[in-house]
Amino acid sequence: QKEVEQNSGPLSVPEGAIASLNCTYSDRGSQSFFWYRQYSGKSPELIMFIYSNGDKEDGRFTAQLNKASQYVSLLIRDSQPSDSATYLCAVFPINAGGTSYGKLTFGQGTILTVHP
Amino acid sequence: GAGVSQSPRYKVAKRGQDVALRCDPISGHVSLFWYQQALGQGPEFLTYFQNEAQLDKSGLPSDRFFAERPEGSVSTLKIQRTQQEDSAVYLCASSRIAGGPGTGELFFGEGSRLTVL
Repeated sequence: QKEVEQNSGPLSVPEGAIASLNCTYSDRGSQSFFWYRQYSGKSPELIMFIYSNGDKEDGRFTAQLNKASQYVSLLIRDSQPSDSATYLCAVFPINAGGTSYGKLTFGQGTILTVHP
Repeated sequence: GAGVSQSPRYKVAKRGQDVALRCDPISGHVSLFWYQQALGQGPEFLTYFQNEAQLDKSGLPSDRFFAERPEGSVSTLKIQRTQQEDSAVYLCASSRIAGGPGTGELFFGEGSRLTVL
């Protein structure tokens, strides 16, 4: 089982619709959860992070975290063609030593296409 | 600089050749990370520096891979005797936070695309 799993897609939604991107993780001790967006041929850029159970909203984006189910999602409201990209879920775990360095673990990404 | 700068952007190497990839992080950023991204996959962690100290190199796939950051700013990832399976995009990221990205934001460079023939 991969540490962070995402449906690779592609996920296709019409302009103006809600896009729902999902991610599950295996390490129950994971602390922090991130969504990065990566346009084709470009580097990842951070969209949102969430640490606590529940919802966190930022503009058209809402991150949802359910630690009991080991599930994190990203909702994009009023999707635009410019949202078309690969969305990477990333998880920051706790290692046995109690400190972690840089081991942000990424899923394989979900390709989102928003069509006019 | 304004962002994380990586060079070269593209590198074609013959199998067995040594390559060096450079990363110039955002000025003042303490933490520096190297990731490897294969086509269609998410980035895979390679190694982490806090200033000049390499605190985690557990992701380096073999002893052919070596990274350094001697003065706590610019970093170089060196791959010796390249193999075809080394073909990937090598991403460098920096963070102003010391001690890991759990509470910080990673700023990625544009990457160095390595193709080994």
